[in-house]
Amino acid sequence: GNSVTQMEGPVTLSEEAFLTINCTYTATGYPSLFWYVQYPGEGLQLLLKATKADDKGSNKGFEATYRKETTSFHLEKGSVQVSDSAVYFCALTSTNRDDKIIFGKGTRLHILP
Amino acid sequence: GAGVSQSPSNKVTEKGKDVELRCDPISGHTALYWYRQSLGQGLEFLIYFQGNSAPDKSGLPSDRFSAERTGGSVSTLTIQRTQQEDSAVYLCASSLWVRTTFNEQFFGPGTRLTVL
Repeated sequence: GNSVTQMEGPVTLSEEAFLTINCTYTATGYPSLFWYVQYPGEGLQLLLKATKADDKGSNKGFEATYRKETTSFHLEKGSVQVSDSAVYFCALTSTNRDDKIIFGKGTRLHILP
Repeated sequence: GAGVSQSPSNKVTEKGKDVELRCDPISGHTALYWYRQSLGQGLEFLIYFQGNSAPDKSGLPSDRFSAERTGGSVSTLTIQRTQQEDSAVYLCASSLWVRTTFNEQFFGPGTRLTVL
Protein backbone atom coordinates (compact mmCIF):
# COMPACT_ATOMS: atom_id res chain seq x y z
CA GLY A 1 0.00 0.00 0.00
CA ASN A 2 0.91 3.67 -0.08
CA SER A 3 3.28 4.89 2.59
CA VAL A 4 5.58 7.75 3.55
CA THR A 5 8.90 7.53 5.35
CA GLN A 6 10.59 10.59 6.77
CA MET A 7 13.66 11.14 8.86
CA GLU A 8 13.15 10.80 12.56
CA GLY A 9 13.72 13.73 14.84
CA PRO A 10 14.20 15.71 16.74
CA VAL A 11 16.36 17.84 14.51
CA THR A 12 18.14 20.69 16.26
CA LEU A 13 19.78 23.48 14.30
CA SER A 14 21.10 26.94 14.96
CA GLU A 15 19.37 29.95 13.46
CA GLU A 16 20.37 30.63 9.83
CA ALA A 17 21.48 27.03 9.28
CA PHE A 18 20.49 25.06 6.18
CA LEU A 19 17.67 22.58 6.69
CA THR A 20 16.93 19.31 4.96
CA ILE A 21 14.27 16.88 6.12
CA ASN A 22 14.27 13.74 4.02
CA CYS A 23 11.08 12.11 2.80
CA THR A 24 10.53 9.13 0.54
CA TYR A 25 7.29 7.53 -0.49
CA THR A 26 5.82 4.34 -1.87
CA ALA A 27 2.73 4.64 -4.01
CA THR A 28 0.99 3.23 -7.02
CA GLY A 29 0.12 5.67 -9.73
CA TYR A 30 0.86 9.35 -9.39
CA PRO A 31 0.07 10.70 -5.93
CA SER A 32 0.17 14.33 -4.91
CA LEU A 33 2.81 15.12 -2.30
CA PHE A 34 2.65 17.53 0.60
CA TRP A 35 4.45 18.94 3.57
CA TYR A 36 2.29 19.89 6.54
CA VAL A 37 3.48 21.84 9.57
CA GLN A 38 2.21 21.89 13.14
CA TYR A 39 3.44 24.84 15.16
CA PRO A 40 3.35 24.58 18.97
CA GLY A 41 -0.22 24.88 20.21
CA GLU A 42 -1.65 25.23 16.72
CA GLY A 43 -3.48 23.02 14.27
CA LEU A 44 -2.03 21.21 11.31
CA GLN A 45 -1.63 23.36 8.22
CA LEU A 46 -0.51 22.83 4.67
CA LEU A 47 2.99 24.20 4.05
CA LEU A 48 3.50 23.30 0.39
CA LYS A 49 2.46 20.81 -2.24
CA ALA A 50 3.42 19.30 -5.59
CA THR A 51 0.97 17.44 -7.76
CA LYS A 52 3.15 15.95 -10.50
CA ALA A 53 6.71 14.83 -11.14
CA ASP A 54 9.36 17.57 -11.21
CA ASP A 55 6.98 20.12 -9.67
CA LYS A 56 8.55 22.26 -6.97
CA GLY A 57 6.38 23.36 -4.09
CA SER A 58 7.45 26.43 -2.15
CA ASN A 59 6.19 28.58 0.71
CA LYS A 60 7.72 30.70 3.50
CA GLY A 61 11.23 30.00 2.16
CA PHE A 62 10.71 26.24 2.21
CA GLU A 63 10.98 24.17 -0.97
CA ALA A 64 10.48 20.56 -1.99
CA THR A 65 10.73 18.94 -5.42
CA TYR A 66 8.68 15.92 -6.49
CA ARG A 67 11.29 13.39 -7.66
CA LYS A 68 9.61 10.39 -9.22
CA GLU A 69 12.87 8.65 -10.13
CA THR A 70 13.96 8.57 -6.48
CA THR A 71 10.40 8.63 -5.01
CA SER A 72 11.44 11.52 -2.80
CA PHE A 73 10.11 14.87 -1.66
CA HIS A 74 12.78 16.33 0.61
CA LEU A 75 12.03 19.58 2.43
CA GLU A 76 14.70 22.29 2.34
CA LYS A 77 15.20 25.81 3.62
CA GLY A 78 18.30 27.86 3.14
CA SER A 79 18.25 29.80 6.42
CA VAL A 80 16.00 28.68 9.26
CA GLN A 81 14.56 30.94 11.94
CA VAL A 82 13.52 30.27 15.51
CA SER A 83 9.92 30.67 14.37
CA ASP A 84 10.32 27.59 12.13
CA SER A 85 10.41 25.37 15.21
CA ALA A 86 7.54 22.96 14.70
CA VAL A 87 6.69 19.39 13.69
CA TYR A 88 6.81 18.74 9.94
CA PHE A 89 4.87 15.96 8.25
CA CYS A 90 5.49 14.62 4.79
CA ALA A 91 2.33 13.27 3.21
CA LEU A 92 0.66 12.04 0.08
CA THR A 93 -2.88 11.58 -1.12
CA SER A 94 -4.04 8.32 -2.52
CA THR A 95 -4.52 8.19 -6.24
CA ASN A 96 -8.14 7.10 -6.26
CA ARG A 97 -9.42 10.66 -5.85
CA ASP A 98 -10.75 10.35 -2.34
CA ASP A 99 -7.98 12.68 -1.13
CA LYS A 100 -7.30 10.63 1.99
CA ILE A 101 -3.97 11.81 3.33
CA ILE A 102 -1.28 9.34 4.29
CA PHE A 103 1.20 10.95 6.64
CA GLY A 104 4.75 10.24 7.66
CA LYS A 105 5.42 10.06 11.37
CA GLY A 106 6.59 13.64 11.60
CA THR A 107 9.91 15.31 12.33
CA ARG A 108 10.24 17.71 15.24
CA LEU A 109 12.48 20.68 14.44
CA HIS A 110 14.11 22.85 17.11
CA ILE A 111 15.85 26.04 16.05
CA LEU A 112 18.21 27.59 18.59
CA PRO A 113 18.77 31.35 18.64
CA GLY B 1 -13.93 33.32 8.19
CA ALA B 2 -14.55 30.50 10.61
CA GLY B 3 -12.32 27.47 10.31
CA VAL B 4 -12.93 23.90 11.34
CA SER B 5 -13.88 23.69 15.00
CA GLN B 6 -13.77 20.70 17.30
CA SER B 7 -15.12 20.06 20.76
CA PRO B 8 -14.18 19.39 23.41
CA SER B 9 -10.57 20.48 23.16
CA ASN B 10 -9.62 18.07 25.93
CA LYS B 11 -11.40 15.00 27.22
CA VAL B 12 -10.33 12.79 30.09
CA THR B 13 -12.31 9.61 30.60
CA GLU B 14 -12.10 6.35 32.43
CA LYS B 15 -11.40 3.08 30.69
CA GLY B 16 -14.63 1.45 29.56
CA LYS B 17 -16.63 4.66 29.17
CA ASP B 18 -18.03 5.92 25.86
CA VAL B 19 -16.97 9.29 24.43
CA GLU B 20 -18.26 11.53 21.66
CA LEU B 21 -16.09 13.97 19.78
CA ARG B 22 -17.61 16.69 17.64
CA CYS B 23 -16.44 18.38 14.45
CA ASP B 24 -17.94 21.46 12.78
CA PRO B 25 -16.52 21.74 9.27
CA ILE B 26 -16.14 24.90 7.24
CA SER B 27 -19.51 25.89 5.85
CA GLY B 28 -20.02 24.55 2.34
CA HIS B 29 -17.31 21.91 2.55
CA THR B 30 -18.73 18.62 1.34
CA ALA B 31 -15.83 16.37 2.35
CA LEU B 32 -15.01 15.63 5.98
CA TYR B 33 -12.18 13.51 7.36
CA TRP B 34 -11.22 12.19 10.77
CA TYR B 35 -7.58 11.41 11.62
CA ARG B 36 -5.87 10.28 14.79
CA GLN B 37 -2.49 11.50 16.00
CA SER B 38 -0.83 9.27 18.55
CA LEU B 39 2.73 8.86 19.78
CA GLY B 40 3.20 5.37 18.52
CA GLN B 41 1.33 5.55 15.21
CA GLY B 42 1.81 9.11 14.01
CA LEU B 43 -1.08 10.57 12.04
CA GLU B 44 -3.50 8.02 10.63
CA PHE B 45 -6.68 8.24 8.61
CA LEU B 46 -9.86 7.01 10.30
CA ILE B 47 -12.96 7.80 8.22
CA TYR B 48 -14.07 9.95 5.30
CA PHE B 49 -17.45 11.44 4.36
CA GLN B 50 -18.17 12.90 0.94
CA GLY B 51 -21.57 14.38 0.25
CA ASN B 52 -24.32 11.78 0.35
CA SER B 53 -22.05 8.86 -0.46
CA ALA B 54 -21.51 6.01 1.96
CA PRO B 55 -18.60 6.89 4.26
CA ASP B 56 -15.20 5.27 3.81
CA LYS B 57 -14.62 3.57 7.16
CA SER B 58 -11.49 1.69 6.12
CA GLY B 59 -9.27 3.41 8.70
CA LEU B 60 -11.34 2.74 11.80
CA PRO B 61 -9.19 0.57 14.11
CA SER B 62 -12.00 -1.46 15.64
CA ASP B 63 -15.78 -1.79 15.78
CA ARG B 64 -15.73 0.32 18.95
CA PHE B 65 -15.23 3.32 16.68
CA SER B 66 -18.06 4.83 14.67
CA ALA B 67 -18.87 8.19 13.14
CA GLU B 68 -21.81 9.92 11.62
CA ARG B 69 -22.38 13.12 9.75
CA THR B 70 -25.80 14.66 10.11
CA GLY B 71 -27.25 16.87 7.42
CA GLY B 72 -23.99 16.90 5.52
CA SER B 73 -22.40 19.19 8.10
CA VAL B 74 -21.52 18.39 11.71
CA SER B 75 -19.84 15.08 12.42
CA THR B 76 -19.57 13.05 15.61
CA LEU B 77 -16.91 10.42 16.24
CA THR B 78 -17.96 7.95 18.93
CA ILE B 79 -15.64 5.60 20.76
CA GLN B 80 -17.34 2.93 22.84
CA ARG B 81 -15.78 1.16 25.80
CA THR B 82 -12.63 3.27 25.59
CA GLN B 83 -9.24 1.67 26.09
CA GLN B 84 -5.96 3.27 27.11
CA GLU B 85 -4.58 2.79 23.61
CA ASP B 86 -7.34 5.11 22.34
CA SER B 87 -5.54 8.03 23.99
CA ALA B 88 -4.55 10.38 21.17
CA VAL B 89 -5.37 13.66 19.51
CA TYR B 90 -8.32 13.29 17.16
CA LEU B 91 -8.20 15.67 14.21
CA CYS B 92 -11.00 16.62 11.88
CA ALA B 93 -10.50 18.16 8.45
CA SER B 94 -12.84 19.40 5.75
CA SER B 95 -12.54 20.37 2.11
CA LEU B 96 -14.50 21.32 -0.90
CA TRP B 97 -14.48 18.37 -3.23
CA VAL B 98 -14.05 18.98 -6.94
CA ARG B 99 -13.16 15.89 -8.92
CA THR B 100 -10.80 17.55 -11.34
CA THR B 101 -8.69 19.64 -9.01
CA PHE B 102 -6.65 19.60 -5.84
CA ASN B 103 -8.80 19.91 -2.74
CA GLU B 104 -6.93 21.33 0.24
CA GLN B 105 -7.98 19.91 3.58
CA PHE B 106 -8.32 22.38 6.44
CA PHE B 107 -7.71 20.93 9.86
CA GLY B 108 -9.33 21.70 13.17
CA PRO B 109 -7.35 22.14 16.39
CA GLY B 110 -8.08 18.60 17.53
CA THR B 111 -9.51 16.93 20.61
CA ARG B 112 -6.97 15.48 23.02
CA LEU B 113 -8.42 12.30 24.50
CA THR B 114 -6.89 10.75 27.58
CA VAL B 115 -8.17 7.39 28.77
CA LEU B 116 -7.17 6.62 32.35
